Amino acid sequence: SAVISQKPSRDICQRGTSLTIQCQVDSQVTMMFWYRQQPGQSLTLIATANQGSEATYESGFVIDKFPISRPNLTFSTLTVSNMSPEDSSIYLCSVSGTGSSYEQYFGPGTRLTVT
Amino acid sequence: AQSVAQPEDQVNVAEGNPLTVKCTYSVSGNPYLFWYVQYPNRGLQFLLKYITGDNLVKGSYGFEAEFNKSQTSFHLKKPSALVSDSALYFCAVISYNQGGKLIFGQGTELSVKP
Repeated sequence: SAVISQKPSRDICQRGTSLTIQCQVDSQVTMMFWYRQQPGQSLTLIATANQGSEATYESGFVIDKFPISRPNLTFSTLTVSNMSPEDSSIYLCSVSGTGSSYEQYFGPGTRLTVT
Repeated sequence: AQSVAQPEDQVNVAEGNPLTVKCTYSVSGNPYLFWYVQYPNRGLQFLLKYITGDNLVKGSYGFEAEFNKSQTSFHLKKPSALVSDSALYFCAVISYNQGGKLIFGQGTELSVKP
């Protein structure tokens, strides 16, 4: 399975500011995913990021609020823009398993608190 | 719509006793099913999956799950619970009519007491 790291692991940010979260994988992967986990809730997919193309956003998430970059096959960033307290969540990136294994592997997450 | 349900928000088990965390699903076509575990302040860890084949699948840390097509269930089990198994468990299914996206259940908090 891939080894995934995220930076920062946690942050406390002020309302109206932006935070960029980095996701680094130790191997080349085609698809990377960004999820949000609000306090006490399950995971919700924000977008799918393929290298060389625009990210595909899920219903309820827009590029202006959550811009994503995918400059190469091992790295992606998610920016949470113009933050409000409602953005306080854990943000996780994941990658698909190799070949036809179907499962996803997750990074450790970034715990964001917006004050 | 494709969905996954975990009917119990919390499961309490004594150490050494068997544990079951329940999951039911609703998908069109053949289901691809997964279990993940989330320890406090950590990301999700993959436990096991059912794609095809034997209905009883074995995974990490002594966990297993049984796929039951007639009951549309995929319950997670372990014969003898450990205190260290205490965590949040998520069942998930791949939804092929939603672009292959992974759909998660709401999670079940497992608490194993000594």
